[in-house]
Amino acid sequence: EVQLVESGGDLVQPGRSLRLSCAASGFKFDDFAMHWVRQAPGKGLEWVSGINWNSGRIGYADFVKGRFTISRDNAKNSLYLQMNNLRSDDTAFYFCASLWAGALYYWGQGTLVTVSP
Amino acid sequence: QSVLTQPPSASGTPGQRVTISCSGSRSNIGSNSVSWYQHLPGAAPKLLIHTNNQRPSGVPDRFTGSKSGTAGSLAISGLQSVDEANYYCASWDDSLGGLVFGGGTKLTVL
Repeated sequence: EVQLVESGGDLVQPGRSLRLSCAASGFKFDDFAMHWVRQAPGKGLEWVSGINWNSGRIGYADFVKGRFTISRDNAKNSLYLQMNNLRSDDTAFYFCASLWAGALYYWGQGTLVTVSP
Repeated sequence: QSVLTQPPSASGTPGQRVTISCSGSRSNIGSNSVSWYQHLPGAAPKLLIHTNNQRPSGVPDRFTGSKSGTAGSLAISGLQSVDEANYYCASWDDSLGGLVFGGGTKLTVL
């Protein structure tokens, strides 16, 4: 059974940092590009960042460029998102998802990041 | 303001057919395929359609996707109460260099 389990979400103050993790199981992790998508309270889905299978291609949404860093460790079947200089509008559920046929096929349940004084 | 445009809401009665539209531009839907997702609050989003009209294994054939030019659409036939959810379209955008989503459509089964 395919599983993606996010962790690391927390309540943090503006300007602080947080590192999210996504543990993958049930599929060959290093065959797939992986992505982070978020959903702010009352809002829709929003793509955050993506990384290809060998970390050779990485992309970010404009609103996180220079603040967030995506990475992966294929030996640990894990995906990460280092979030620095967090702002209140980064408050959201963060989902990790695997890419297949140009679409986000498997998704995790999400982890909640709350940025507040 | 989302890059892809969807109606904020749609509704239908059980057994009816409803269609949700997704409007984009040359740099996204016009150049790349469309995917559709179903999302219930508190749950993981679920892929319904990839590559414009392909259903992953396990997705009922009541869900049909199509694409024409810079627009995509999702049709749900034989509407059921379990279909009540938020639906999102998505496509890769060559200008932005990433995935873009529609704002989402809340489907209500009356």
